[in-house]
Amino acid sequence: EVQLVESGGGLVQPGGSLRLSCTASGFSFSSYAMIWVRQAQGKGLECVSYISASSSTIDYADSVKGRFTISRDNAKNSLYLQMSNLRAEDTAMYYCAKRGPAGSMDVWGKGTTVTVSS
Amino acid sequence: EIVLTQSPGTLSFSPGERATLSCRASQSVAGDQLAWYQQKPGQAPRLVISGASSRATGIPDRFSGSGSGTDFTLTISSLEPEDFAVYHCQQYSSPFLTFGGGTKVEVK
Repeated sequence: EVQLVESGGGLVQPGGSLRLSCTASGFSFSSYAMIWVRQAQGKGLECVSYISASSSTIDYADSVKGRFTISRDNAKNSLYLQMSNLRAEDTAMYYCAKRGPAGSMDVWGKGTTVTVSS
Repeated sequence: EIVLTQSPGTLSFSPGERATLSCRASQSVAGDQLAWYQQKPGQAPRLVISGASSRATGIPDRFSGSGSGTDFTLTISSLEPEDFAVYHCQQYSSPFLTFGGGTKVEVK
């Protein structure tokens, strides 16, 4: 079964750090680009960060540039998002998603919740 | 950055009715690289349409996508109870992936 499972979310104080993980199974993880998408409660979807299959191309939303770092370990079938200097506006559900052959996001995890609050 | 606008934010229909959802881009989406996703409460998004008009695996044929350039449409020919959800459009051409604000399809 093709699956993505996120972990690492939680409650963190403003200015703090958190590392999210996404573990893939059921497909050749090393062959596909991956993205992190977040969704604040009651709001729309926002692409946070993108990483190509080989990690040669990485990009970030302006809202997180300089604070978040995306990475992957193809040997471990894992995707990561290191988040630092967190702000209240980073509070959201964070999803990892696989970019399919057609370019769209064809597999999504169930998400992990990040809450930034004192 | 390509900005996608979905309006209105909410549409109300009765089961069996035809629903037409709109997604407008601030600039032309190269290669019609536009997708639609369905999201139900408490669930992750699910791919419905890619390449503006290609149904994803397992998506019933009552769903269809059309459009090119800056104007795209998702049509549900006859709404089933399980189709009431939020629908998001997304462009994946360049330079960065962006989503529209979403349209909620609710029961009238």
